[in-house]
Amino acid sequence: GAVVSQHPSRVICKSGTSVKIECRSLDFQATTMFWYRQFPKQSLMLMATSNEGSKATYEQGVEKDKFLINHASLTLSTLTVTSAHPEDSSFYICSARAIHPGTGRSEQYFGPGTRLTVT
Amino acid sequence: AQSVTQPDIHITVSEGASLELRCNYSYGATPYLFWYVQSPGQGLQLLLKYFSGDTLVQGIKGFEAEFKRSQSSFNLRKPSVHWSDAAEYFCAVGPYSSASKIIFGSGTRLSIRP
Repeated sequence: GAVVSQHPSRVICKSGTSVKIECRSLDFQATTMFWYRQFPKQSLMLMATSNEGSKATYEQGVEKDKFLINHASLTLSTLTVTSAHPEDSSFYICSARAIHPGTGRSEQYFGPGTRLTVT
Repeated sequence: AQSVTQPDIHITVSEGASLELRCNYSYGATPYLFWYVQSPGQGLQLLLKYFSGDTLVQGIKGFEAEFKRSQSSFNLRKPSVHWSDAAEYFCAVGPYSSASKIIFGSGTRLSIRP
């Protein structure tokens, strides 16, 4: 099956600094990637939809200037948390969408997640 | 409105006992249904998925799910649970062939009693 990686798996940063998280589709091209945030003991909440070569679409309530998304290639999307604060500490998960050429069926493959801790 | 409801926040079953996790959905178009499992601190692992065909779907780790259109349900079952099945389980619904988002339920935490 298709593989999606995330880097780093864990990161600790100081309040006020910025952190970049990478999401890569390893063996397929993904024109669309999704970024989710998961707080402890809660479900995944979609933050934004990232389309290759265009601006990301943010969900209501997600600050686009704080969570910068760049999808510069068909295999890489990055999420940068700018001026991070302790309340941004969370588990960030990306997914990449693949289209099966024969059926047109859409599949999303999830990365392993990145644990961000802001001190 | 599109939504997924998992009515059970936490379930505890004895090892070896049968399991059923409930999931109800509301979706305007033909849904693509999923069950994912997440161990603590880990990412999501796809257990099974359904779009069409046989309404009883077999997945990995001995899990199965049954799609019931009349009840808008997609319940997950396992005949005999193992201690390693303790995890968080998420039901999700999404589009079959568009870039629209997958919607996740709130999750059900499964604990196993020795």
